[in-house]
Amino acid sequence: GAVVSQHPSWVICKSGTSVKIECRSLDFQATTMFWYRQFPKQSLMLMATSNEGSKATYEQGVEKDKFLINHASLTLSTLTVTSAHPEDSSFYICSARGGRGVDTEAFFGQGTRLTVV
Amino acid sequence: GDSVTQMEGPVTLSEEAFLTINCTYTATGYPSLFWYVQYPGEGLQLLLKATKADDKGSNKGFEATYRKETTSFHLEKGSVQVSDSAVYFCALSEEGKLIFGQGTELSVKP
Repeated sequence: GAVVSQHPSWVICKSGTSVKIECRSLDFQATTMFWYRQFPKQSLMLMATSNEGSKATYEQGVEKDKFLINHASLTLSTLTVTSAHPEDSSFYICSARGGRGVDTEAFFGQGTRLTVV
Repeated sequence: GDSVTQMEGPVTLSEEAFLTINCTYTATGYPSLFWYVQYPGEGLQLLLKATKADDKGSNKGFEATYRKETTSFHLEKGSVQVSDSAVYFCALSEEGKLIFGQGTELSVKP
């Protein structure tokens, strides 16, 4: 399958700082990227959907000013956690889809473990 | 809204045992159904999928049948291996977005 690379795989930051997570599609053009958050022993919760060149669509309850998503190119999307707090500590996962059909397969990055201290 | 419920883990089996991981869903429409697998230290990978009722998805010895009457998509394998140890996620597709179950950790002992 296609490769999606997420970086960094883990990060520790201090409260009040911002952290940027990158998601790259290495061998295909990602027209749509998804960002998920996963709490321990819980399912992946969709945070937002971004289409290249347009603003991200956030799920209900997700603060768009706190979780900034940029999808400026067909191979890169970034998630920036602004003014991070310990409750933002979580596992963040991106996925990317190349086609526009709703059933086109999405490929997943390996995830980023964020710890805010 | 649509949702997916999986049996809780962890599930511990001996090698060559039979595996069933239950998955049920609620949906207003007719979603596609998926099983994803996450091996330690890796990203989620699509294991199998089914797009309509009575379809059977299969891959690597795993199977799951889309049962509309019971709103289920249980994952089965006749003989598990140590290398099958991973976390398995059931999911449905709603307008292109994936909704996941909570995941079931499988540990296979030699």
